[in-house]
Amino acid sequence: GAVVSQHPSWVICKSGTSVKIECRSLDFQATTMFWYRQFPKQSLMLMATSNEGSKATYEQGVEKDKFLINHASLTLSTLTVTSAHPEDSSFYICSARDLGDTEAFFGQGTRLTVV
Amino acid sequence: SQQGEEDPQALSIQEGENATMNCSYKTSINNLQWYRQNSGRGLVHLILIRSNEREKHSGRLRVTLDTSKKSSSLLITASRAADTASYFCATVPIYNQGGKLIFGQGTELSVKP
Repeated sequence: GAVVSQHPSWVICKSGTSVKIECRSLDFQATTMFWYRQFPKQSLMLMATSNEGSKATYEQGVEKDKFLINHASLTLSTLTVTSAHPEDSSFYICSARDLGDTEAFFGQGTRLTVV
Repeated sequence: SQQGEEDPQALSIQEGENATMNCSYKTSINNLQWYRQNSGRGLVHLILIRSNEREKHSGRLRVTLDTSKKSSSLLITASRAADTASYFCATVPIYNQGGKLIFGQGTELSVKP
C-alpha cells in the first residue's frame, strides 16, 4: 500500500508554545488529508478534512484557531497546535487519500505531551 | 462524530481460537473498512467491504456486512499472539464529503499464547 509519513512521532512541549505536525504522502498525491485525535483507550475522532489548496473543513467542536491546518501541496499537510495546553496532550494521526480512491492510508501518529 | 459502536469492547482468547468482533453503524454507507492498531501506533488497513457486498475474505480474515441491520462483523480465524491489537471499523457515510472515515469505538483483542 501507499506510504504516509508523519513527523514527529512524539513531541514534548511547554504549555503556551505551538507545535507543528507534518503529514506527507510519499508515493501518491494526497488530494485529501484527514486529521484525527485519539485519547488513550479510545477511538479516533475526526478533527478536520483538508483538500489541497483550500481551507480545511473542521468537525463540530474543533477550534479552527487552535488547530491550524495547511494543505499547501499534494504531498504535504501540516497541523499546528497553537498555544498548547496540557489538555491538548493526545495522539494525533493523519490519513491521506488520492482522488477517487476508497482507501485512506494512515501515518504512524504523533504523541503530543504538553507539560 | 462517532458513527457506530463495536462489541465487545475487549476480547481475550487463547492462541488458535477464533475472534469475532461486531460493528454497528447509524447511517447509510458507501463502504465499511476494518483497521488494526497496535498500541501507540498508526492504523493498518485490513479489509474494505462495499455496501453491495455481503461477505469478503482476506487470508485469516472474514468480514460480513448486513446493510439492513447496519452491522458488520470481523472474524479472525486461528488467532495468533501477534494478532493482539485494537480493531476498529470505519464507515464512509453515503452523503459525506470527501470520503471521510467515521470510526467505531474499537475492540481491544488480546490473544494469549
